[in-house]
Amino acid sequence: RKEVEQDPGPFNVPEGATVAFNCTYSNSASQSFFWYRQDCRKEPKLLMSVYSSGNEDGRFTAQLNRASQYISLLIRDSKLSDSATYLCVVNNFNKFYFGSGTKLNVKP
Amino acid sequence: NAGVTQTPKFQVLKTGQSMTLQCAQDMNHNSMYWYRQDPGMGLRLIYYSASEGTTDKGEVPNGYNVSRLNKREFSLRLESAAPSQTSVYFCASSRGLAGASSTDTQYFGPGTRLTVL
Repeated sequence: RKEVEQDPGPFNVPEGATVAFNCTYSNSASQSFFWYRQDCRKEPKLLMSVYSSGNEDGRFTAQLNRASQYISLLIRDSKLSDSATYLCVVNNFNKFYFGSGTKLNVKP
Repeated sequence: NAGVTQTPKFQVLKTGQSMTLQCAQDMNHNSMYWYRQDPGMGLRLIYYSASEGTTDKGEVPNGYNVSRLNKREFSLRLESAAPSQTSVYFCASSRGLAGASSTDTQYFGPGTRLTVL
């Protein structure tokens, strides 16, 4: 079983839509959780950390459910510039495990 | 403040040739990592280093060697390149010590696009 699993998509949404991504992780001892964004042929970049209490950064909301070992990312009011691949990342004693990514296409 | 830098950006090799990918970070981070990324496969860890002088195997170490030259630099060597090693290689670093409990995140270099013919 993979450490981190994500729906690969693609999610094709119109501008202004709300879209949600989910991922699950297998190791209940994992310590910290993140969403990264990766643009085509570029390096992954940190989008936001994910906390159990839920956290928000502008149009982005992340949520962690430790009991279900489930992480989510909600994007409101999608922009064309949000088109990218979103990677779910789990930190387990400073070894980082990446999902294969969910591709988002935001269309005019 | 450059963050994580990698050289070269692109490389084409013939089967059997050798090369070294260079990585350096200027953030005084303890841990450094090498990943490869293939289409549809996500990022896979090749090797990592918790500190200067220590290295450990990741998920896909075969065909690679690494060297943590000092705290700043972590190189990846392909001794005899094979077409299966055609990939994008990313170096990353994090503040915490690999193997220690952590809430740290990782920072990535821009990648090296390697083609083996």
